[in-house]
Amino acid sequence: GQQLNQSPQSMFIQEGEDVSMNCTSSSIFNTWLWYKQDPGEGPVLLIALYKAGELTSNGRLTAQFGITRKDSFLNISASIPSDVGIYFCAGIIQGAQKLVFGQGTRLTINP
Amino acid sequence: EAGVAQSPRYKIIEKRQSVAFWCNPISGHATLYWYQQILGQGPKLLIQFQNNGVVDDSQLPKDRFSAERLKGVDSTLKIQPAKLEDSAVYLCASSLVADRGTGELFFGEGSRLTVL
Repeated sequence: GQQLNQSPQSMFIQEGEDVSMNCTSSSIFNTWLWYKQDPGEGPVLLIALYKAGELTSNGRLTAQFGITRKDSFLNISASIPSDVGIYFCAGIIQGAQKLVFGQGTRLTINP
Repeated sequence: EAGVAQSPRYKIIEKRQSVAFWCNPISGHATLYWYQQILGQGPKLLIQFQNNGVVDDSQLPKDRFSAERLKGVDSTLKIQPAKLEDSAVYLCASSLVADRGTGELFFGEGSRLTVL
């Protein structure tokens, strides 16, 4: 079953607002990643994190690898219409090779 | 650089029929993955190949699903016979790193299967 709990499941915001979403697990992860999926497309990698405590930015996106290695968050600042889509956290559990995905956060932006 | 190619994009079949999906990964990528994404859920790994060997197929329903990667390049995923619950998008992905893996996957557009 799912090993990642992603929240919120959906968000409805105004253009220009900041967004925050997170992912938690009872398992320890070696790697955390955040992907975005547009309708009819495959997921696209946004940010990859490899060390506990690591904070990484990609333009208006910032993600952190939690100190406990059991969680991660993604922030989007000053949202724009093209940020609409489904955001997935994903991770590789300690001792495993398999990449597992969260359930996704669907982001909707009102102009 | 060409991305991951998948075909067909869409397929509609009746239950108990068979279907096959094809994937051509990014040139030089050693690792190839097939994920199943049911509507409203995150992708779930079905099988992972490193070159032409299977790394993980623990979640592949082997009584009806099969996959192969001949010569370590292209791959096919087959479902026979299909069930209603197989309706999903089948995503192929590839990655450059062949050892422990970094999770940095490149996905194709997916093949959407509808089983009636």
